[in-house]
Parts: sequence; C-alpha cells; structure tokens
Amino acid sequence: EVQLVESGGGLVQPGGSLRLSCVASGFTFGDFYMTWVRQAPGKGLEWVANIKADGSEIYYVDSVKGRFTVSRDNAHNSLYLQMKYMGVDDTAVYYCAKYGPTTGPDVWGQGTTVTVSS
Amino acid sequence: DIQMTQSPSTLSASVGDRVTITCRASQSIKTWLAWYQQKPGKAPNLLIYKASSLQIGVPSRFSGSGGETEFTLTISCLQPDDFATYYCQQYSSYSLSTFGQGTKVEIK
Repeated sequence: EVQLVESGGGLVQPGGSLRLSCVASGFTFGDFYMTWVRQAPGKGLEWVANIKADGSEIYYVDSVKGRFTVSRDNAHNSLYLQMKYMGVDDTAVYYCAKYGPTTGPDVWGQGTTVTVSS
Repeated sequence: DIQMTQSPSTLSASVGDRVTITCRASQSIKTWLAWYQQKPGKAPNLLIYKASSLQIGVPSRFSGSGGETEFTLTISCLQPDDFATYYCQQYSSYSLSTFGQGTKVEIK
C-alpha cells in the first residue's frame, strides 16, 4: 500500500523555524517527483513546492521563496520541508504528496499542522 | 502565473441530482488538470487526472471533461458520500501549480 506520513508540525513563534518530514512507503520513492501543499484554516489548497526525483530541481511558490527549503533523502524514502522566518500566514496543515508523471499529486499524506503564533 | 477560477463556490443539491462544477484556466493548460474531493479534517483525494481520466477506485458517477482553458467535473447521480469540497488543480508545469478556490457541495 502506498503511504505517506508527515511529522514535525507544532507551534512556532513568528520569525521562528520548523522542519517537517514525510516518510514514504509502498512505492519506489526515488522514481517520483514529490510535492508539498498547504491549507490554512478554513481556506483552500495552496501548492508550496515540487522537488524532482533526484532532488536536482526544486520549485517554490513565490510566497515561500527564500524562506522554505525542500530536500529529500532517497536512501531513507524521506522528504523534508525546512521553514524559516515564519509568519502567521504560514499557519496551515501541510501535506506531502507523491507526484505521478501523468496524474499529478495522486497519493497524499494525512497532513501535519503548523501554527505560527506568539 | 496561471490562475484557476472555479465556480460555483457553493452548490446546494439533493441526493440523485446531476452536479456540474467548472474550472477555468487563465491560459491554456492543455489537459493537465486534476480534480480532488476533500472532506473535513481529511487529505484531498484524487478523482480525475489529465482532465478526463478516472483515478483507480473512484466511482464511475464522477467524470471530467474539457481542455485548454475550460474544464468540468460532473457527478452524474449525487450520493450521500459525495457531500464535500471539490478542488481543481492545474499541473501543466513542474515549476508552478495552482488550485482553484474550491466548491462546497451541500445538502439542499
């Protein structure tokens, strides 16, 4: 069974940092792009970033460029989202998803909640 | 940037109704469009990819159509389990993806 499990969410103060993790199982992790998507409370979905299968290309939404960094460890089937200089607008549930070449994001994790507040 | 405009934002319908949701792209995305269903507190679930391909395991009452800038999600016979929020997403480029604002399907 294809599965993605996020962790690392929590409460962080404005200006602070947090690192999210996503562990994959049930598929060949190193063969696929991966993506991060977030959802602020009561709001819609927002694409955050994509990372190529080998990690050589990474793309971000403008609002997180220079503050967020996506990386992956294919040997450990793991995806990461390092978040710095966080603001209240970064408060959201963060989802990782497997990105199929024709399907786009097709399998999603359960999400991890990040709250930025003083 | 490619903007996705989804309508309506809310839709009231009854069990058995035929329901249609529209998504419009600000420029051509060919058929690089997906539709998701999301229930409260849950992750989105892929229904349709490449505009009209039904994801494995998704009931056949769901269908997608369209291309270039105009897309439609149709639920042919609304079931109680279908009351949820639906999103479209364009994925025409790995460098940028965009979601529609969402359509909440409510019980009439």
